[in-house]
Amino acid sequence: KAGVTQTPRYLIKTRGQQVTLSCSPISGHRSVSWYQQTPGQGLQFLFEYFSETQRNKGNFPGRFSGRQFSNSRSEMNVSTLELGDSALYLCASSLREGRIETQYFGPGTRLLVL
Amino acid sequence: AQSVAQPEDQVNVAEGNPLTVKCTYSVSGNPYLFWYVQYPNRGLQFLLKYITGDNLVKGSYGFEAEFNKSQTSFHLKKPSALVSDSALYFCAVRDGGTASKLTFGTGTRLQVTL
Repeated sequence: KAGVTQTPRYLIKTRGQQVTLSCSPISGHRSVSWYQQTPGQGLQFLFEYFSETQRNKGNFPGRFSGRQFSNSRSEMNVSTLELGDSALYLCASSLREGRIETQYFGPGTRLLVL
Repeated sequence: AQSVAQPEDQVNVAEGNPLTVKCTYSVSGNPYLFWYVQYPNRGLQFLLKYITGDNLVKGSYGFEAEFNKSQTSFHLKKPSALVSDSALYFCAVRDGGTASKLTFGTGTRLQVTL
């Protein structure tokens, strides 16, 4: 099976712009989660979507939003970019295996805000 | 709130020697614990997870982890380290109240030398 794919892999934007990142989950996986990774804050949970509905949300401002489509593909959007939004954005898809779900991560999108 | 701690920023070990990467956890309820590895410019790769049952969990690439309830620890181990094991290792705990949210430790950089 193909793994989680994320596009684009690298992105450079300027402050004030907006950006959309895309994630295609592993076939059959219906849950998609997004994380932000920075050297200072580490790995932080953004939000999770399941069957096109946001199931959980982290502590990020409203500038960060997401959605999921009927084929489970997901996008996240960041509006009015700030320098501090520079990070590696990781998408993970998951499938319930027994008691709990295991998350499988994509390679990430590295966003640089200038 | 659930949390994990990785007390060592870096672990250095010679190739062929056993390695241990430490993780302690704090949870209310049953602990669901994970280990992931991250290579440079890559996403996170799933290594293993603990749900319940045997205290020694075997995972990918020869890694295993020892769950110790009394010490609230979940240390990652490998009997014989390889140079190719050099990477960033993350311990994570599933948030008890939500389906898929993972809370990660700060990461431990493993350096294996010849």
